[in-house]
Amino acid sequence: GQSLEQPSEVTAVEGAIVQINCTYQTSGFYGLSWYQQHDGGAPTFLSYNALDGLEETGRFSSFLSRSDSYGYLLLQELQMKDSASYFCAVRGLGGFKTIFGAGTRLFVKA
Amino acid sequence: DAGITQSPRHKVTETGTPVTLRCHQTENHRYMYWYRQDPGHGLRLIHYSYGVKDTDKGEVSDGYSVSRSKTEDFLLTLESATSSQTSVYFCAISEPGTTNEKLFFGSGTQLSVL
Repeated sequence: GQSLEQPSEVTAVEGAIVQINCTYQTSGFYGLSWYQQHDGGAPTFLSYNALDGLEETGRFSSFLSRSDSYGYLLLQELQMKDSASYFCAVRGLGGFKTIFGAGTRLFVKA
Repeated sequence: DAGITQSPRHKVTETGTPVTLRCHQTENHRYMYWYRQDPGHGLRLIHYSYGVKDTDKGEVSDGYSVSRSKTEDFLLTLESATSSQTSVYFCAISEPGTTNEKLFFGSGTQLSVL
């Protein structure tokens, strides 16, 4: 089976940097994805790591270490609009099921 | 934005009644998914489809069935709705290849079972 664990809540100050961790247990997977969801909205894709290392997309970066079964999403220069829930997700090998973590609620304070 | 439409957007129903939710896409994507979202549980996969008439179970499939008779439509049916099925339901699509890991979500259906 697959399971992903994330902190339930993270609070940070506007302009700061915050890291949201995701640890997983899975027998094999294609890569680690991250999604953002604002209250009342639908999840939207942020980033994907197929290989170990850092992927950067503007203010957001995502990291994967398969040997440590660990990944994280890094948000820089935090803005109030970044207040949302963030989900990590994996798709297992040999299938089409994408499984999500329970999500991390990010609160950005002024 | 991906062309995904979910209907209805909101529904209130009574325990024991059947309910069908519809997901319609205009992207001709092969894969379609139904998720439910509940506080503290994130997004949990109910069923998914990898082609017309090709479907499989997800993590929480009990009490749900699906059908896909056309590429563009994926229906989720609650055969006899229960209060535990009160949730927000999201449809998602993806396409094999470089974008396979990227799911596009519909706007969701808020279902209340009384």
